[in-house]
Amino acid sequence: NAGVTQTPKFQVLKTGQSMTLQCAQDMNHEYMSWYRQDPGMGLRLIHYSVGAGITDQGEVPNGYNVSRSTTEDFPLRLLSAAPSQTSVYFCASSYSIAGDTQYFGPGTRLTVL
Amino acid sequence: AQSVTQLDSQVPVFEEAPVELRCNYSSSVSVYLFWYVQYPNQGLQLLLKYLSGSTLVESINGFEAEFNKSQTSFHLRKPSVHISDTAEYFCAVSDHKDSSYKLIFGSGTRLLVRP
Repeated sequence: NAGVTQTPKFQVLKTGQSMTLQCAQDMNHEYMSWYRQDPGMGLRLIHYSVGAGITDQGEVPNGYNVSRSTTEDFPLRLLSAAPSQTSVYFCASSYSIAGDTQYFGPGTRLTVL
Repeated sequence: AQSVTQLDSQVPVFEEAPVELRCNYSSSVSVYLFWYVQYPNQGLQLLLKYLSGSTLVESINGFEAEFNKSQTSFHLRKPSVHISDTAEYFCAVSDHKDSSYKLIFGSGTRLLVRP
């Protein structure tokens, strides 16, 4: 199993550009989520999904969109990038069982100029 | 709303010394508690978790954490650290009754083990 994979590993954008961060998992997990990690702030939840076709907002959803058309994939879209979105982004997945371990991808380091 | 406090942003310690990384959470309702570790340039991986039962939980590499409900704490300890334990450690909490299974993370503690 590859676990949770994320592409790209690194990305540089100009303000106003759009892009999609890809996330895929091969563990048949129902639950998937996106976090951003900023220095001194830990990880903050952006969006999450409890199954295909179901998404909801987390703590910091503004400026990001998600969709979940399949169990495996959970892409994160930045419609108009801003310098405040410079961060490291992590995707995670788990079974939809409270208390289950979340498995994290390797991260995408995004810089917005 | 739930919150998690990790008071120490960085903890330097010499190899083979004991260490404690502190974690306090806000809610008094039933919670699940986790410690995740992030090695340099990697994603997070679970170190240990408390769901129910014994309040002392252990990891395979010698870390342990004790759930203290009265003090709303879940401190992480290791009696003798190794250079390879250098990493950032995150405490996280999940509410039993939250059907979204959301994890709330603390701000992290960087453990720096010196020879």
